[in-house]
Amino acid sequence: EVQLVESGGGLVQPGRSLRLSCTASRFTFGDYAMSWVRQAPGKGLEWVGFIRSKSYGMTTEYAASVKGRFTISRDDSRGIAYLQMNSLKTEDTAVYYCTREAMVLPYFDCWGQGTLVTVSS
Amino acid sequence: QLVLTQSPSASASLGASVKLTCTLSSGHSSYAIAWHQQQPEKGPRYLMNLYSDGSHNKGDGIPDRFSGSSSGAERYLTISSLQSEDEADYYCQTWGTGVRVFGGGTKLTVL
Repeated sequence: EVQLVESGGGLVQPGRSLRLSCTASRFTFGDYAMSWVRQAPGKGLEWVGFIRSKSYGMTTEYAASVKGRFTISRDDSRGIAYLQMNSLKTEDTAVYYCTREAMVLPYFDCWGQGTLVTVSS
Repeated sequence: QLVLTQSPSASASLGASVKLTCTLSSGHSSYAIAWHQQQPEKGPRYLMNLYSDGSHNKGDGIPDRFSGSSSGAERYLTISSLQSEDEADYYCQTWGTGVRVFGGGTKLTVL
């Protein structure tokens, strides 16, 4: 069974940085684009950004709310996707999910269990 | 602008059927979407993708009680023979060039 496991969440002060990891297993990680999605407490799902596969240049796209502050990268040799979050704000407090984008169309066909990031002083 | 609109809430009785709606914004009526389910205190789960012609492909292990259909700019998720575990939030999702979009979600209550 395909599996995604997020890690790295925690409590961080406003203005500081945090890096999340998403470890993939049981599929050929390098063939897929990977996205990050977040969910603030009591709110809906919000797409954060994605990274294309090596075949598409490992290029990235971001939501306007995080562009310039967040960076997504990947290590295909280890099957890990990263979300580097800088200049964190209180409104970045959320559960962060790693997702796999389907091969044919960019819908999310697999989700991790999520990791909580709390930005507070 | 690519936007998905969902009703905030819906309810139906145990054993009955319910049809949830996701509406694509003007100019995007041909877009495919995906449906995701989020049960209380759990992460989301992929249910199915759904094309403008109503054809759909469900994820692994998704019961036959879940089906999708389309009409114009509307995309539907129908759940038949409702069970208590179907009480959840349901999100539709679509995509454009360099962007991914979620609807606001529908909270389904099973009475």
